[in-house]
Amino acid sequence: IQLTQSPSSLSASVGDRVTISCRASQGISSYLAWYQQKPGKAPRLLIYAASTLQSGVPPRFSGSGSGTDFTLTISSLQPEDSATYYCQKLSSYPLTFGGGTKVDIK
Amino acid sequence: EVQLLESGGGLVQPGGSLRLSCAASGFTFNNYAMSWVRQAPGKGLEWVSSISDSGDTTPYADSVRGRFTISRDNSKNTLYLQMNSLTAEDTAMYFCAKCASTCQHQNFQHWGQGTLVTVSS
Repeated sequence: IQLTQSPSSLSASVGDRVTISCRASQGISSYLAWYQQKPGKAPRLLIYAASTLQSGVPPRFSGSGSGTDFTLTISSLQPEDSATYYCQKLSSYPLTFGGGTKVDIK
Repeated sequence: EVQLLESGGGLVQPGGSLRLSCAASGFTFNNYAMSWVRQAPGKGLEWVSSISDSGDTTPYADSVRGRFTISRDNSKNTLYLQMNSLTAEDTAMYFCAKCASTCQHQNFQHWGQGTLVTVSS
């Protein structure tokens, strides 16, 4: 099962609503997580089970979808959200990651 | 507080071997599955392998199966990755991750800071 993220990069202004797509080549139910990674740092879990917010993550982050189509939304982009975002399927091994979406602040 | 501290990375020649360690603290290690994830320079994340809490289930990525071995010592709260027959394509930052109980059907809840492996002559 392949995961395709789009776009591969985007640039948006502070306060913008940002959406990132992750599409699976086969259905994976809701077994999808989203991670944020800043340069030189380890990834950080944001969302699991497609839509459950990890403890401590700001509520401007949300996830939706099931089956093959998933979305990560940042409702109001903040400067500290500049990072690369990855989806990961957890339905079965291999626990593949998407290719990543780099988010820059204009 | 969960802490994961990787070690053992470094420069190794093609065809060589290396063993990575991940020392865990702040949680009951033998209750959680663990994983290794790597990231080549400037590239995305690649899942490498996972191990169940008891160590009896160890799936691998196709790219490392037969060359890498994941293991754990629950008495020492330590995760390992034995890497053999290394090639330049194995050059990456290697992260250990604590899963939320299991890895499959759950998530990678906590991550270490990584240890860099460079395969070069």
